Amino acid sequence: QQPVQSPQAVILREGEDAVINCSSSKALYSVHWYRQKHGEAPVFLMILLKGGEQKGHEKISASFNEKKQQSSLYLTASQLSYSGTYFCGTVSLESNTGKLIFGQGTTLQVKP
Amino acid sequence: NAGVMQNPRHLVRRRGQEARLRCSPMKGHSHVYWYRQLPEEGLKFMVYLQKENIIDESGMPKERFSAEFPKEGPSILRIQQVVRGDSAAYFCASSPPGTGQFFGPGTRLTVL
Repeated sequence: QQPVQSPQAVILREGEDAVINCSSSKALYSVHWYRQKHGEAPVFLMILLKGGEQKGHEKISASFNEKKQQSSLYLTASQLSYSGTYFCGTVSLESNTGKLIFGQGTTLQVKP
Repeated sequence: NAGVMQNPRHLVRRRGQEARLRCSPMKGHSHVYWYRQLPEEGLKFMVYLQKENIIDESGMPKERFSAEFPKEGPSILRIQQVVRGDSAAYFCASSPPGTGQFFGPGTRLTVL
């Protein structure tokens, strides 16, 4: 079953912060985050494994709440280059093949 | 270090023809995944392969679609007797075991 992302769309000014949420009805092994710009391939941002960790690089970080089967992506001091569609992909504990199931995406637009 | 390579980047076929999409994973990656993305939609898992083995094909349509990853050469996604509904972007991703997936640039298939 597809994870649910919220919000569906966000509009920000440069320098503002955003949080994108990803929620699953299944027990998860891992959560992956990707950003896709229009007409381009998805770009891997980070992976969070079962264990409730938080990871990040530069001004983009993420957390994984194992008890709630939720992950959040945090974008701080947003830049124009952050614009795009963000997808979370989940691997469930019941999966023995590690296939990713993607959410429907969150469109982020950063304006000057 | 070359990334995931896909060809062709654009493919136009008439209804009833065959489409062959190729994917060369990143060097050292033994896992290949195929996804389909319809316009303005998310990524849908199709198939997961390792060399000479199909690990999970639960996302593949039962008819007309097949995939392989031979011992030598690229992975191939084959669509026989294409229909207009097959028009989409087809992405290949590769990974070493247990990490994030890295996507190729995609093949945009248009069926006339």
